[in-house]
Amino acid sequence: DTEVTQTPKHLVMGMTNKKSLKCEQHMGHRAMYWYKQKAKKPPELMFVYSYEKLSINESVPSRFSPECPNSSLLNLHLHALQPEDSALYLCASSEFGAGANVLTFGAGSRLTVL
Amino acid sequence: KNEVEQSPQNLTAQEGEFITINCSYSVGISALHWLQQHPGGGIVSLFMLSSGKKKHGRLIATINIQEKHSSLHITASHPRDSAVYICGSNYQLIWGAGTKLIIKP
Repeated sequence: DTEVTQTPKHLVMGMTNKKSLKCEQHMGHRAMYWYKQKAKKPPELMFVYSYEKLSINESVPSRFSPECPNSSLLNLHLHALQPEDSALYLCASSEFGAGANVLTFGAGSRLTVL
Repeated sequence: KNEVEQSPQNLTAQEGEFITINCSYSVGISALHWLQQHPGGGIVSLFMLSSGKKKHGRLIATINIQEKHSSLHITASHPRDSAVYICGSNYQLIWGAGTKLIIKP
């Protein structure tokens, strides 16, 4: 298995909803990443888990809450989001800890906040 | 000024043409990534390079660490190469704005 699987592919939620995005890989990669990408912009790194520990948090609002239950799974819990949070959320993984390693990306979860 | 600059921003070419996309950066980068993103969002990591040159099929990436410059070349371009190409450093958390490539049949 050489894939990073993200679910759901599309999510529409209201500002008062609580939802989660899920990311899964079975390549034995030890670093996993969440990126946010707005239209026509490069991806912005939100969180990095390296060996299941949060190693970088790029000043992301607390309405986004990451969770790494084990080395294969990465969740992004969403609560009280704003319409400007609508974006493509991409998960990626790399073999070793965060750094100069080849990235494998998931297809993304497109989030719309109403 | 962005730490990573890509040129051109947009490129339209005919099928079969040789394509070059350039990436210049102003900070020290230990490893540079080239990513390909098709409409719809999925991103594929094409190359990660620290020095010299790498080749994969019709794609070639080069990097000159001293000049802080990298290029991505596509030989015998095909409409399926149409995508946004992004360069940057995951380690330093800096990415270019991307080059939108359209290959016309």
